[in-house]
Amino acid sequence: EVQLLESGGKLVRPGGSLRLSCAASGFDFSTYTMNWVRQAPGKGLEWVSALTGNGYLTYYADSVKGRFTISRDNSQDTLYLELSSLRSEDTAVYYCAKPTWNGNAFEVWGQGTMVAVSS
Amino acid sequence: EIVVTQSPGTLSLSPGERATLSCRASQSVSSNYLAWYQQKPGQAPRLLIYGASTRATGIPDRFSGSGSGTDFTLTITSLDPEDFAVYYCQQYGGSPFKYTFGQGTKLQIK
Repeated sequence: EVQLLESGGKLVRPGGSLRLSCAASGFDFSTYTMNWVRQAPGKGLEWVSALTGNGYLTYYADSVKGRFTISRDNSQDTLYLELSSLRSEDTAVYYCAKPTWNGNAFEVWGQGTMVAVSS
Repeated sequence: EIVVTQSPGTLSLSPGERATLSCRASQSVSSNYLAWYQQKPGQAPRLLIYGASTRATGIPDRFSGSGSGTDFTLTITSLDPEDFAVYYCQQYGGSPFKYTFGQGTKLQIK
């Protein structure tokens, strides 16, 4: 069974930093471009970042570019998201998502991890 | 940048009725790059439709997707009580690499 399990979310002060993790299982992790998607409380979905399977190419939403860093460890089947210079508007549930075979949609989602940015 | 707009914002229907949800893109989108998701409170989204019309694994055939260009539709025939949720459409843009979600349609029990 394909599974994604996020962790690392917590309450952090504005300007602070945090690292989220996503442990994957049940599929050939290293062959997929993996993604982070977030959802602010009571709001819609926002794609945040993606990283190719070989770790060479990264993509970011304009709202997080320069502040967030995506990475992966294929030996551990784990995806990461480093969040820095956090703002209140970064408060959200962060989901890890595996795409379909052609990368055009997200067929598997984790349960999410909550990041709250507040003083 | 492609903007994706869903309508209506809220749809009130009764079990057994037919639901029609709309998704409109600001520019023409390849049908291959349009997907629909269902999200229930406290849960992660679930992929329903990809490639505009292909049902994801395990999705009942009362869910169907259609459309092309800038206008896409998710149809749910004969609503089941478990279908009341929020639905999102999503467009994938290969250049630049980006996924864009609509703002969602809340399907609620009338």
